[in-house]
Amino acid sequence: GNSVTQMEGPVTLSEEAFLTINCTYTATGYPSLFWYVQYPGEGLQLLLKATKADDKGSNKGFEATYRKETTSFHLEKGSVQVSDSAVYFCALARGYNKLIFGAGTRLAVHP
Amino acid sequence: ETGVTQTPRHLVMGMTNKKSLKCEQHLGHNAMYWYKQSAKKPLELMFVYSLEERVENNSVPSRFSPECPNSSHLFLHLHTLQPEDSALYLCASSQTFLGRKGTEAFFGQGTRLTVV
Repeated sequence: GNSVTQMEGPVTLSEEAFLTINCTYTATGYPSLFWYVQYPGEGLQLLLKATKADDKGSNKGFEATYRKETTSFHLEKGSVQVSDSAVYFCALARGYNKLIFGAGTRLAVHP
Repeated sequence: ETGVTQTPRHLVMGMTNKKSLKCEQHLGHNAMYWYKQSAKKPLELMFVYSLEERVENNSVPSRFSPECPNSSHLFLHLHTLQPEDSALYLCASSQTFLGRKGTEAFFGQGTRLTVV
């Protein structure tokens, strides 16, 4: 079946450090892939998306590339800020109204 | 207002109470969803409505009863809940089916439900 696996958190970084959050998926065909972010006390916000192989989604300094050969969609940012502290969810959309989420990765950035 | 709005933001209810969660979207979308977010568990899809018709019910207990009176409003009616139903309940909407390329879901801020 379709599934998403994310690296377990929490991830703790110092400000300006490089961030990678790994995400791999299992799905048939070519699902759309997403990263959502959830700030404390809030709902989920779309961070970026990609719809086909080799697409790169980017937003607010975050990037992720749709890798069909490795079934991955890793999230990266070159220099994190304290305000990036949140929970990050990788997700795929496949089939009829199916949005399947990973378990989420908590990121804590310290000054 | 814009986006997806959920009320109330916080709700505490006893196991014998009846309450309702409300969701309203101002985006002109055709599909709406209820998700449950529990601690240390992935988000669980509960219900999907498309054009006001329920198209999916993921084996949710009958103590949760959804209602979609029009394409802008979605309710989740709650009765005789259990403490393990305490969670963040998220509403979302999308322009069209989530399986269509690149269609994204827009989420509300959620209702934090505590069952005592």
